[in-house]
This record gives sequence, C-alpha cells and structure tokens, in this order.
Amino acid sequence: AQSVSQHNHHVILSEAASLELGCNYSYGGTVNLFWYVQYPGQHLQLLLKYFSGDPLVKGIKGFEAEFIKSKFSFNLRKPSVQWSDTAEYFCAVIATGNTDKLIFGTGTRLQVFP
Amino acid sequence: DTGVSQNPRHKITKRGQNVTFRCDPISEHNRLYWYRQTLGQGPEFLTYFQNEAQLEKSRLLSDRFSAERPKGSFSTLEIQRTEQGDSAMYLCASSAQGIGSPLHFGNGTRLTVT
Repeated sequence: AQSVSQHNHHVILSEAASLELGCNYSYGGTVNLFWYVQYPGQHLQLLLKYFSGDPLVKGIKGFEAEFIKSKFSFNLRKPSVQWSDTAEYFCAVIATGNTDKLIFGTGTRLQVFP
Repeated sequence: DTGVSQNPRHKITKRGQNVTFRCDPISEHNRLYWYRQTLGQGPEFLTYFQNEAQLEKSRLLSDRFSAERPKGSFSTLEIQRTEQGDSAMYLCASSAQGIGSPLHFGNGTRLTVT
C-alpha cells in the first residue's frame, strides 16, 4: 500500500530563513502529489499540486515543490519564510490508477519567529 | 463557493453513546470524503463517495462506523457505541470528479468521548 513520509516533525525558523520540508512516498506507479497547509484554527488548504509536466511546481504564497521521480520525493521549499507561514504542512499523494483516495503524511509543524 | 460545511463543530459524548455528524459539500462536487485526524498525525482516510455510491472504505474502519450519502449531496457519518479511542477530529472533504482533483476540506467535527 502506498504511504507518505515526512521526516521533519517540527521545524523552527527565524523570519527570512529558507525552508525545505521533506516528503517521500512509496508507490511505483504514476502519482499525483500535493502539499496542504493548515493554519492555526483553520481548515486544510491546498498549497500546490503536481500532476505531470514540469517537475518544479509553484504554489501560493511563494511556495514551490520539486518532484524527483528517482528519489520518490516531493520536497516543499520557500526561499524566505514569514511569521505568517507558521502552520502545519502536510504532504499527500494519490496513486493514480489504483485508487482515488488521498493519502497524507504525518505533517510538519513549522514555527517562524520574528 | 460557500465551502464545505460540517456540523456540529464539537461533540462531547459518553462512552457507549451513538453520534452522527453531517457534512455539506461544495454543491457542484460529486465526490465526498471522510477523514479522521488525531493529534500529531495526518488525516487518515475513512471512506469516500462518488455521488451516492460509497466507492471505498478503509479496512481500519470498524463495523461501528457507517457513512451515507443518500441523495448524492450531504453525507452523514455515524459512530455507534462510541469508545474513548474514537476521540478525534473528523474531517469531510469534497472534490470534483477527475483524477487528482484537489480536495476541499471543511473545518471538521471534534469528537470527545468521555
């Protein structure tokens, strides 16, 4: 069965620092990949998604992610974080052709200090 | 777009009681998903519907859990004979049909079983 691993459980940064959150999935077939964000007290929101084509995808609020098929990875990046980026970030995958359910990682809690 | 609506927001119940949650998806979305989230974990898939048909149900879901979507619009999730281990946030999401269509989440129903 497919699974998603997020190795960074808690990340603490100062404003303007660069961010990279790791995400690895286990599935040998075609996948659709997502990053969701959950700000304190709010519902999960889509940050960005990858279906096909350019492996570098750009999302909202200056976030981007790179799909590296050979590494089964889809890491999230932002060159300069802001205090307002404090949130929980979830990587998720759909194993296309197998199921239509979205499988989530355990999440990474990001705290940004001014 | 009024978003996905879930009711109630919070539910406190005693062990052994039955509870029912309601989800109203985005009106033009024909897919509806239920997830469960506990502290420090990512959302865990429970079941999903395409219109009124329940297409997949997690093996982790015991027989005490049942979900319906009778007219292909709103959905209910019922938990019978609740146990303390059922305490969690129950999330509903909806999406348009199509592989990889992003899920739009509601704010969830927080269940506490005492």
